[in-house]
Amino acid sequence: DAGITQSPRHKVTETGTPVTLRCHQTENHRYMYWYRQDPGHGLRLIHYSYGVKDTDKGEVSDGYSVSRSKTEDFLLTLESATSSQTSVYFCAISESPSGRPYNEQFFGPGTRLTVL
Amino acid sequence: AQSVTQLGSHVSVSEGALVLLRCNYSSSVPPYLFWYVQYPNQGLQLLLKYTSAATLVKGINGFEAEFKKSETSFHLTKPSAHMSDAAEYFCAVSARGGGADGLTFGKGTHLIIQP
Repeated sequence: DAGITQSPRHKVTETGTPVTLRCHQTENHRYMYWYRQDPGHGLRLIHYSYGVKDTDKGEVSDGYSVSRSKTEDFLLTLESATSSQTSVYFCAISESPSGRPYNEQFFGPGTRLTVL
Repeated sequence: AQSVTQLGSHVSVSEGALVLLRCNYSSSVPPYLFWYVQYPNQGLQLLLKYTSAATLVKGINGFEAEFKKSETSFHLTKPSAHMSDAAEYFCAVSARGGGADGLTFGKGTHLIIQP
């Protein structure tokens, strides 16, 4: 299994509070991604990173920000959590020898976030 | 732009019967295609992938899928279902050589195995 950990694994918070989720990898992969999974929607891309301090928006980026100060860590922040952000959040990583992603992604175990 | 349609949010088969999970894609460029499986309270595990080599792709746990460009399909099959195959299955597409953009997923199909 790819060395990907996510913390916390479960979190309950209140509307309006800031929340930061952490993804940590030991594979030294260049590309990292944050997805959210909701019933009936599959997984949707929030943000992704193609290197240290290089990030870009995905399909559902509103209300989220990310940071990547080290290759191994990719942080997802909800500046002011809302009930619509209650979801399961997955981190994924990708790499290829040529430096471009194979697009094959390996997923972490997920973080279940509940916003009351 | 890319999209994925998985036909049937739930599929039920008897143990030992053929499993067929349908996936159709839309992509403006030649695609990479993937099937992932998710067991309860776990992350996603790659079953198999199509990256322009053979159109019939074999994966783990006895699953295989066939890329049919004319039908824009990438259906997942397994000849004989096992109880341990009960899970959620996701089809995903990515632009070939498209850089760092993420995968576009279908909404998933929940596979139920009847004893």
